[in-house]
Amino acid sequence: DIRMTQSPSTLSASVGDRVTITCRASQNITSWLAWYQQKPGKVPTLLIYKASILESGVPSRFSGSGFGTEFTLTISSLQPDDFASYYCQQYNSFSWAFGQGTKVEIK
Amino acid sequence: QVLLVESGGGLVKPGGSLRLSCAASGFTFSEHYMSWIRQAPGKGLEWVSYTSSGGVTKYYTDSVKGRFSISRDNAKNSLYLQMNSLRAEDTAIYYCARKGGFTHGLDHWGQGTLVTVSS
Repeated sequence: DIRMTQSPSTLSASVGDRVTITCRASQNITSWLAWYQQKPGKVPTLLIYKASILESGVPSRFSGSGFGTEFTLTISSLQPDDFASYYCQQYNSFSWAFGQGTKVEIK
Repeated sequence: QVLLVESGGGLVKPGGSLRLSCAASGFTFSEHYMSWIRQAPGKGLEWVSYTSSGGVTKYYTDSVKGRFSISRDNAKNSLYLQMNSLRAEDTAIYYCARKGGFTHGLDHWGQGTLVTVSS
């Protein structure tokens, strides 16, 4: 099965910072990668799919890139509403998988 | 609008069984892959299972293979997860989610139902 590894596990940042989260796949998943945001006590929401396509309604400060085994989620200017946990998910293989998550905290 | 409502969670003893349901509305259910994802208390998301739009193709994470079974009834716009031989480590919130399309991720999620496995 394909395993997904995110880094860092926790990230401390300030409003206005540029933030980058990395997700690595144990095998080539081409572009079959999604990113989700989850706030405490809330349901996850889709941010990006197919590695770089922004889901409808998601602010343009979020962007995704990558292909194959290495991917990044970037928030260009962190806003107060962005303090949350972020998860990558591969859907290339018959067996899907999430990364372990990255918590973005207030510095 | 798209709505997914899970039910069937609760407290069950180790070795017991539960059947989760997910009622879908607001979209053409039979056109979408559907998935179950779980989240243990204070932990990250874990993909559990998914089924193709017609219900023929089904896949599971290794830890539930042989114990859990996903199914769907497209006439009733419903997704199910039959969980047998439950273990303490199966304790989690279980979410059903819709895959948006061939290239899409999981674009709509239910609110989840809590399953607690404890003696």
